[in-house]
Amino acid sequence: AQSVAQPEDQVNVAEGNPLTVKCTYSVSGNPYLFWYVQYPNRGLQFLLKYITGDNLVKGSYGFEAEFNKSQTSFHLKKPSALVSDSALYFCAVRVSLSGSARQLTFGSGTQLTVLP
Amino acid sequence: DGGITQSPKYLFRKEGQNVTLSCEQNLNHDAMYWYRQDPGQGLRLIYYSQIVNDFQKGDIAEGYSVSREKKESFPLTVTSAQKNPTAFYLCASSIDDGLATDTQYFGPGTRLTVL
Repeated sequence: AQSVAQPEDQVNVAEGNPLTVKCTYSVSGNPYLFWYVQYPNRGLQFLLKYITGDNLVKGSYGFEAEFNKSQTSFHLKKPSALVSDSALYFCAVRVSLSGSARQLTFGSGTQLTVLP
Repeated sequence: DGGITQSPKYLFRKEGQNVTLSCEQNLNHDAMYWYRQDPGQGLRLIYYSQIVNDFQKGDIAEGYSVSREKKESFPLTVTSAQKNPTAFYLCASSIDDGLATDTQYFGPGTRLTVL
């Protein structure tokens, strides 16, 4: 079984400050990890993913995420937050298993609010 | 959202009615998915299809049905057997590289409300 936890329902940060949105996972096997962002009444937009290799992954809109195998975490970060970053963020995990659905398992989401 | 369209954007259903949500993609993706989103619960997989004329149940398939007659289309029917259908429905597609590393891309969603 695979699972994802986003321990914070809500994160508030001042514009210009660094932001972190936390994600931890539990899988049997090597994880493939994804971050998505959702604006109100819209679909999810892909930000970045970790497959293998460098633990620091850079993605769209200045976001990056660090894969930490020992802590089973994949936190999303940005050095300087913008008001337009305010949205709902989802972490997701998938494990490659032969004969499996390879389905994505999503966390419950973290609402990020960047205050001007 | 580019390349994946969902219609309608808003849908209202009376109890006891079946309704069909449309999902079309022009990305030439092999795999397509349907998710349900409820507040505070993230996304849950309803059905997915990796190839035409084949589909598999996800975690919450009861009360839903799908078809995959064409590569670009994956309609979802919400039947009267679905007890609590009010939710935001998201369709996604991916290349399906066979390694589970493919990225799923999402449509804009359909908000279904049962009156």
